[in-house]
Amino acid sequence: KNEVEQSPQNLTAQEGEFITINCSYSVGISALHWLQQHPGGGIVSLFMLSSGKKKHGRLIATINIQEKHSSLHITASHPRDSAVYICAVRRTYNYGQNFVFGPGTRLSVLP
Amino acid sequence: DGGITQSPKYLFRKEGQNVTLSCEQNLNHDAMYWYRQDPGQGLRLIYYSQIVNDFQKGDIAEGYSVSREKKESFPLTVTSAQKNPTAFYLCASSIVRQGGTEAFFGQGTRLTVV
Repeated sequence: KNEVEQSPQNLTAQEGEFITINCSYSVGISALHWLQQHPGGGIVSLFMLSSGKKKHGRLIATINIQEKHSSLHITASHPRDSAVYICAVRRTYNYGQNFVFGPGTRLSVLP
Repeated sequence: DGGITQSPKYLFRKEGQNVTLSCEQNLNHDAMYWYRQDPGQGLRLIYYSQIVNDFQKGDIAEGYSVSREKKESFPLTVTSAQKNPTAFYLCASSIVRQGGTEAFFGQGTRLTVV
């Protein structure tokens, strides 16, 4: 079992739809990151969470530490949101200062 | 603006040749990382460095080598010993902030070995 799992693996939505991507993890963490990877490959950090909820524009990220679960929501989705969204966690103990990455969720937003 | 620069974006090499991927950051971050990404898989750690002149193997270090002679630079060499070198390679750096460790990523280098 992977330490970080995401669902769904692939997601196709119509423009304007509300989108939710889920991340669950099985290890103790100090922080959770949501990353966005565009087709060219570069990765952008969207959020870093250690508790609660954060909002940036149309993006909202939440985390429930007790349930070891995080969600990324996109409101009023747009074709430019099409990308792979990756959940990454940082373990609480010092394991090589390492991040553990989920497999990613590929989102396609159709016009 | 500060950031991480990887070069080149695309790289082609013949089998049996060593190749070095560049990663430079002007963020003054102590920690730097190299990851490999294969289709359908999560990022896997190759090497990391927490400080100049020091680096540690990650989960898949075999066939790779690194150096950290300067804080800003963390080049990765893919040697001929790496059995499946064709992949997408990402460099990252991180800094510890009050709310946690923040990570920054480069644009990646897609290496194709023919």
